Amino acid sequence: SQTIHQWPATLVQPVGSPLSLECTVEGTSNPNLYWYRQAAGRGLQLLFYSVGIGQISSEVPQNLSASRPQDRQFILSSKKLLLSDSGFYLCAWSVSPGAETQYFGPGTRLLVL
Amino acid sequence: GQQVMQIPQYQHVQEGEDFTTYCNSSTTLSNIQWYKQRPGGHPVFLIQLVKSGEVKKQKRLTFQFGEAKKNSSLHITATQTTDVGTYFCWSGNTGKLIFGQGTTLQVKP
Repeated sequence: SQTIHQWPATLVQPVGSPLSLECTVEGTSNPNLYWYRQAAGRGLQLLFYSVGIGQISSEVPQNLSASRPQDRQFILSSKKLLLSDSGFYLCAWSVSPGAETQYFGPGTRLLVL
Repeated sequence: GQQVMQIPQYQHVQEGEDFTTYCNSSTTLSNIQWYKQRPGGHPVFLIQLVKSGEVKKQKRLTFQFGEAKKNSSLHITATQTTDVGTYFCWSGNTGKLIFGQGTTLQVKP
């Protein structure tokens, strides 16, 4: 069966520090991968999605970036965090980007102080 | 651009009352999915609707897809405290991946 992992689970970082969040999927090949951000009490904002290794689509311009160095690995990064980067970061995968169920990881809660 | 609007944003009900959330689009949707996110948790897939006028049921939950495929609803009959959470609709129309803003349900015991 497929599983999706995210780490760390929680993170407290100072403003201006770098960020690296990792997401890995097991039990499937060539998944479509997504990064979402959810501010407290708010909806899901799609940040990036990837249909294959090295292929990243950005939905919202910001100081975050994503990379997919391996088929089942998706990384969210920032060189300098802003206060507004605080939130709940969710990674998800699906079989195809258009009509398939998305399966979410447990998420990373990021607090930027 | 394409938007999926979800209403209401919040709903407080007494346990045993019914609850409905609506998802509306300005354009025709190829499909719609519903997800539930418990407090502190991650979204979990509930169901997918594809056909015009489709109705699906999961125990006390009833999902409908409009005839014009521009709207959808999730209805919960006789809410329980376990129904607490945020319900999101999602559409993967034409390659754009759109989540509604969600409806947060609070149930008073």
